[in-house]
Amino acid sequence: EVQMVESGGGLLQPGGSLRLSCVASGFTFSSYSMNWVRQAPGKGLEWVSCISSSCDTITYADSVKGRFTISRDNAKNSLYLQMNSLRDDDTAVYYCAYSSSDRRWFDPWGQGTLVTVSS
Amino acid sequence: QSALTQPRSVSGSPGQSVTISCTGTSSDVGGYNSVSWYQQHPGKAPKLMIYDVTKRPSGVPDRFSGSKSGNTASLTISGLQDEDEADYYCCSYAGRYTYVFGTGTKVSVL
Repeated sequence: EVQMVESGGGLLQPGGSLRLSCVASGFTFSSYSMNWVRQAPGKGLEWVSCISSSCDTITYADSVKGRFTISRDNAKNSLYLQMNSLRDDDTAVYYCAYSSSDRRWFDPWGQGTLVTVSS
Repeated sequence: QSALTQPRSVSGSPGQSVTISCTGTSSDVGGYNSVSWYQQHPGKAPKLMIYDVTKRPSGVPDRFSGSKSGNTASLTISGLQDEDEADYYCCSYAGRYTYVFGTGTKVSVL
């Protein structure tokens, strides 16, 4: 059974930093791209970032470019999101999901981890 | 990276059919057969309902179907049931390892 477990969320002030983690199981982690998707309270889903299986391609949504850094550790089946210069509008539940060139959809979804940015 | 456009809400009576549109551009919806749809009940994580425009994952009722014409994808729910009341989001691959989601549609069962 494929499973994604996100962690690392919390409450912090604007301008702060936080590192999210996602541990994946049930599939060959090193063979797939990994993504972060977020959802602000009461708002829609927003794709945030993607890292290819070998880390040679990394992409970001314009809303986080220059502030967030995605990384992965294939030996630990783990995905990370380093979030710097956090703003109020980064408040959201953050989900991780895997994809590939012939699997361009997100399934399953974990429970997500809540990041709240507030003064 | 503009969000795909969906109607804010659609509604129907039990047993009726509703269709949700998802309009993008030739750089996303129109450029790839990689549109997926997600159902989300309040307080829950999204659930995949359709992938690759028309394909249904195992366990998803066949009253859910997807299609695409040009830059617009659609999700149709036939034989609407009470449990179908939820938010629905489309998503499209947009090239070079990027994705874009739709603005979301609230489906109400009258």
